[in-house]
Amino acid sequence: QVQLVESGGGLVKPGGSLRLSCTASGFTVSGYYMSWIRQAPGKGLEWVSYISSGGGSIYYADSVKGRFTISRDYARNSLSLQMNSLRPEDTAIYYCARVSPEPAVVNGLPLDAFDIWGQGSMVTVSS
Amino acid sequence: QSVLTQPPSVSGAPGQRVTISCTGSSSNIGAGYDVHWYQQLPGTAPNLLIYDNNNRPSGVPDRFSGSKSGTSASLAITGLQAEDEADYYCQSFDISLADSVFGGGTKLTVL
Repeated sequence: QVQLVESGGGLVKPGGSLRLSCTASGFTVSGYYMSWIRQAPGKGLEWVSYISSGGGSIYYADSVKGRFTISRDYARNSLSLQMNSLRPEDTAIYYCARVSPEPAVVNGLPLDAFDIWGQGSMVTVSS
Repeated sequence: QSVLTQPPSVSGAPGQRVTISCTGSSSNIGAGYDVHWYQQLPGTAPNLLIYDNNNRPSGVPDRFSGSKSGTSASLAITGLQAEDEADYYCQSFDISLADSVFGGGTKLTVL
């Protein structure tokens, strides 16, 4: 069964750090573009970061650039998001999602849909 | 303020047809980039509903269909059912922002 399961969310103080993990089953994350997408409470969806299937290309939304780092753990078949210098506006449910293995791209960014989503992990940034 | 504009809410009676619009600009939908649609049932993660403007993943009923014209796209749902009550989001790519962009979401209420 193809699925993604996130973990690592929680409550953290402003300026703190948190690491989210996303473990895949039924497919190999290294063979796909992967992404993190977040949803603030009661709000819409916001793309956060992409990593290409080869891992050679990584992209971030301006709102998290310089603070968040996306990476892959090949041994664990998982995706991670290291979040530093967290702000209250980072409070959201964070979803990992899969894109195609070889999507159409523009300037390296994939155009294809997110076809598999995890159940989400809640991150709350508050003092 | 989302780059792609959706109506905040739509409603319809069981069995009726509803449409949800997604209005963009010349830097996203109007530039020819594909539109994808997601359904988010209450308390759950989004789920891919329509990809590349008008294609349904396996398992999605043919009551759901998508279209695109100019700077806009639409999601149509026919034979409305109570289980269709959810939030719906459109997504595309914006060349000016160099980002994947989502609409603000539309809440569908089945009366």
